[in-house]
Amino acid sequence: DTAVSQTPKYLVTQMGNDKSIKCEQNLGHDTMYWYKQDSKKFLKIMFSYNNKELIINETVPNRFSPKSPDKAHLNLHINSLELGDSAVYFCASSRGGWTGELFFGEGSRLTVL
Amino acid sequence: KNEVEQSPQNLTAQEGEFITINCSYSVGISALHWLQQHPGGGIVSLFMLSSGKKKHGRLIATINIQEKHSSLHITASHPRDSAVYICAGTGNQFYFGTGTSLTVIP
Repeated sequence: DTAVSQTPKYLVTQMGNDKSIKCEQNLGHDTMYWYKQDSKKFLKIMFSYNNKELIINETVPNRFSPKSPDKAHLNLHINSLELGDSAVYFCASSRGGWTGELFFGEGSRLTVL
Repeated sequence: KNEVEQSPQNLTAQEGEFITINCSYSVGISALHWLQQHPGGGIVSLFMLSSGKKKHGRLIATINIQEKHSSLHITASHPRDSAVYICAGTGNQFYFGTGTSLTVIP
C-alpha cells in the first residue's frame, strides 16, 4: 500500500479554470503538507495542517486553499489558474509536527496552458 | 540570500568515491532534513536530525548546531546514488536549500 498517495499525477488545464489535487496518507500521521516545486526544482512549503491548525505560507496566493475532511486527507484546491501555477505539487505527512520525518507523495505535475 | 545554502550545486564523481554535500543555514531551526530526489521521481527523506550524527547504510549525516552546518556523506558511491539532494531546516518555517545535483559515473 502506498503510504502517501496523490491524484492525479498529471493535470493539464486552461488558464482560469479551477482544479483540485487530492492527497491521502495511511500512516496515521498527524501533520500533512503541500509543497510546490518550480521549474528550477526549488521546493517551497505552501501549507501545513496539524490537528486542525492550518499554517499558511504567507507568500501563497489566496487562490490556493487546502481542505482537510479528516486527518488522513489534505486536498489542494486552486481557483482561477494562472500560467505561473505550472509546477509539481507534492503532498507529504509526518508524525509530531515539523520535526518529524517527512513522507512524500509521488507528486502531481500541473501544466496550465 | 537563501536562508539555507548548499554546496556544491553540482557534483560529478567516479563510482566508489567518497562524497560530501554541505548545508549551511542562517536561521534558527529545530530540525534538519536531508531529502533525495531521483530524476523525474518523487522525494524520499534520508535523514531528520537535530544533533550529532546519523548513519544509514552508506549514508552519514552530521549536524553542528553551533556552526549552523550539516553535511551529508556518501561512502563508496554508486551510479544509483545519482540524484538531487536537498537539505531543509524546520523552525518557525520550512527553509529549503536549492539542492545539489549528484552524478556518479560508473
